Amino acid sequence: QSALTQPRSVSGSPGQSVTISCTGTSSDVGGYNFVSWYQQYPGKAPKLMIYDVNKRPSGVPDRFSGSKSDNTASLTISGLQAEDEADYYCCSYAGRSTLFGGGTKVTVL
Amino acid sequence: QVQLVQSGAEVRRPGASVKISCKTSGYSFSSYYIHWVRQAPGQGLEWMGMINPSDTITDYSQKFQGRVTIIRETSTSTVHMEVSGLKSDDTAVYYCARPLMRYFDWPYLDYWGQGTLVTVSS
Repeated sequence: QSALTQPRSVSGSPGQSVTISCTGTSSDVGGYNFVSWYQQYPGKAPKLMIYDVNKRPSGVPDRFSGSKSDNTASLTISGLQAEDEADYYCCSYAGRSTLFGGGTKVTVL
Repeated sequence: QVQLVQSGAEVRRPGASVKISCKTSGYSFSSYYIHWVRQAPGQGLEWMGMINPSDTITDYSQKFQGRVTIIRETSTSTVHMEVSGLKSDDTAVYYCARPLMRYFDWPYLDYWGQGTLVTVSS
């Protein structure tokens, strides 16, 4: 099982939107609607931002949204803010196993 | 409130083993899986395995099968993970994490321990 594929970095100006892709296979992302996304600041534990492809846990701003098409999931951050600068990881259920993406660094210009 | 408190940092020689603990509180211990995730310095997250505390059934990443053992201690609501045959590239922060939903093994990890740094060096 290989890690899910994410771009190494994306960037945007405050107020803009950025989208992070997460590509897997039919055995993980494409086979289940159990995709989640995590935000991580340096030296901190990850924080769950999206689950069930497009649901937000309580307290997560609605600027964060998720979607999926075939073997690719996506996280969109709308109205980018300075505090959104962090690393983001996708994650997929893979049948009694779990795969993470390699991570994407979001830079707010 | 839900808490996952991990044991402290460890230093081991190559070839040795390490056992990390994750003491949970604030919820029904048997109702939620516990997952283990590690992160090498400057690297991404890597899923290692999980345990269902209600029946002790475990699942491991193929990468760690045979080298990682996860057990639960119901009396103290603690989950332990042992990693054997340590190599230098096992140097990482190891996290335990609890999912958002009870009873399901879906990796929606909502509560995390503080992390345990394991350093493997000769």
